[in-house]
Amino acid sequence: AQKVTQAQTEISVVEKEDVTLDCVYETRDTTYYLFWYKQPPSGELVFLIRRNSFDEQNEISGRYSWNFQKSTSSFNFTITASQVVDSAVYFCALSEAPSNTGKLIFGQGTTLQVKP
Amino acid sequence: EAGVTQFPSHSVIEKGQTVTLRCDPISGHDNLYWYRRVMGKEIKFLLHFVKESKQDESGMPNNRFLAERTGGTYSTLKVQPAELEDSGVYFCASSHWDGSSYNSPLHFGNGTRLTVT
Repeated sequence: AQKVTQAQTEISVVEKEDVTLDCVYETRDTTYYLFWYKQPPSGELVFLIRRNSFDEQNEISGRYSWNFQKSTSSFNFTITASQVVDSAVYFCALSEAPSNTGKLIFGQGTTLQVKP
Repeated sequence: EAGVTQFPSHSVIEKGQTVTLRCDPISGHDNLYWYRRVMGKEIKFLLHFVKESKQDESGMPNNRFLAERTGGTYSTLKVQPAELEDSGVYFCASSHWDGSSYNSPLHFGNGTRLTVT
């Protein structure tokens, strides 16, 4: 069965701390896509990253980095030197069909609170 | 470029009433999706339009939900009659069709928060 698990419901850190959001997925397919979305207080879901199952290279974008490990079926997201503006709900998602990456299976979301 | 727009942002209705949610996708996006998040749980897929055609409606919970996308532009999602368990946030998303796959990322709207009392 396809499933995405974000075991951390809420995380609270102090500004400038590093924080890692965990994401574990289950899929029977060999071809799939993984995503992270951010939902700030304004409500919209903001696309952060998409990674396909054949590319296990880690990715860094500014203070954000992602660690994809197929061996452990994990796609973790790290924010370095967190800032108050990073406070949001973060969703990890999986798309199985290679030709339809719009049908996403989401995790429950992790609420990140960054305190000044 | 304007983003995905959803209306209304909030709706409070009584059980048994009808509500219609609207989504305006990004101009030129052929793919339009509806998702729903109920009571702080995970966001779940409802259905997918390609232009005006329903490509996949496997996530629609029951026949009280009717989605349309006449003319392949904006879409509406009607709930009739609404039940208490329909309360949640309804998200719309759109993406570009590149001619061979649906591989471009989804752009989501702000969602409509529906409360059924």
